[in-house]
Amino acid sequence: ILNVEQSPQSLHVQEGDSTNFTCSFPSSNFYALHWYRWETAKSPEALFVMTLNGDEKKKGRISATLNTKEGYSYLYIKGSQPEDSATYLCAFRGYSGGYQKVTFGTGTKLQVIP
Amino acid sequence: DVKVTQSSRYLVKRTGEKVFLECVQDMDHENMFWYRQDPGLGLRLIYFSYDVKMKEKGDIPEGYSVSREKKERFSLILESASTNQTSMYLCASSLGGGTNGYTFGSGTRLTVV
Repeated sequence: ILNVEQSPQSLHVQEGDSTNFTCSFPSSNFYALHWYRWETAKSPEALFVMTLNGDEKKKGRISATLNTKEGYSYLYIKGSQPEDSATYLCAFRGYSGGYQKVTFGTGTKLQVIP
Repeated sequence: DVKVTQSSRYLVKRTGEKVFLECVQDMDHENMFWYRQDPGLGLRLIYFSYDVKMKEKGDIPEGYSVSREKKERFSLILESASTNQTSMYLCASSLGGGTNGYTFGSGTRLTVV
C-alpha cells in the first residue's frame, strides 16, 4: 500500500490570511500528482494535475508546487475567503506492481472564518 | 456541464439486503471507479472499469461486485449489506491516460441498519 499523507488534518484561518498545506508521497515510481477540492455536499472538483518535478500551477488565489525528488507537494491559498472552506485532497499516481495506481491522502479540512 | 450522477444522495438499508448503487456519466469516459470514504481514511478504491463489461478489483473489493453493461453506467452491488458497509460511496470517471483527473459524483451516503 502506497503511503500518501496530508498535513495538517484540519485548520482554521481568518478571512484574508494566507495558508498552505502539504501532501507527502513516495519519491519513487512517480507518475502524477492531483489536487482536488471537496466542498461539503458537493462533488470533489479537480484543481491541478502535476507531472514534472518543479511544476508550479496556479488557479486564481490557489497555487501548488511539486517536488518529486523528495516526495511532497504544497498547496497555497492566498488571502483565504470563506468560499475556500473545503477539504483539499491530493492523489498520488504511481507505479505499483507494474501498473499505475492512484492513492488518495486523507485530506486537509480548511475552515475560513469570516 | 459535464456530469457524473449518482442515483441516490442518502440511502438506508437493512442488514442482508441486496443494494444497488448506480452511477451514470455523460462524458464518454472510458474509466469508471467506485470509492468509499470513511472518517480518518483516504478514499479507498473498491472496483474500477476501463471498458464496457470489464472490471478490476481495487483495494477493498470484498463484499462488493460491479456491473458495466454500457459505457456510461457503472453499478456497485452490495450482495448482502452489512453494517460495516455503512459509508459514503463516491463514483468517478476519467478519460484514459494517466494524467487525466477524475470527475466525481456527489456521493451516496449509505447507512446499513
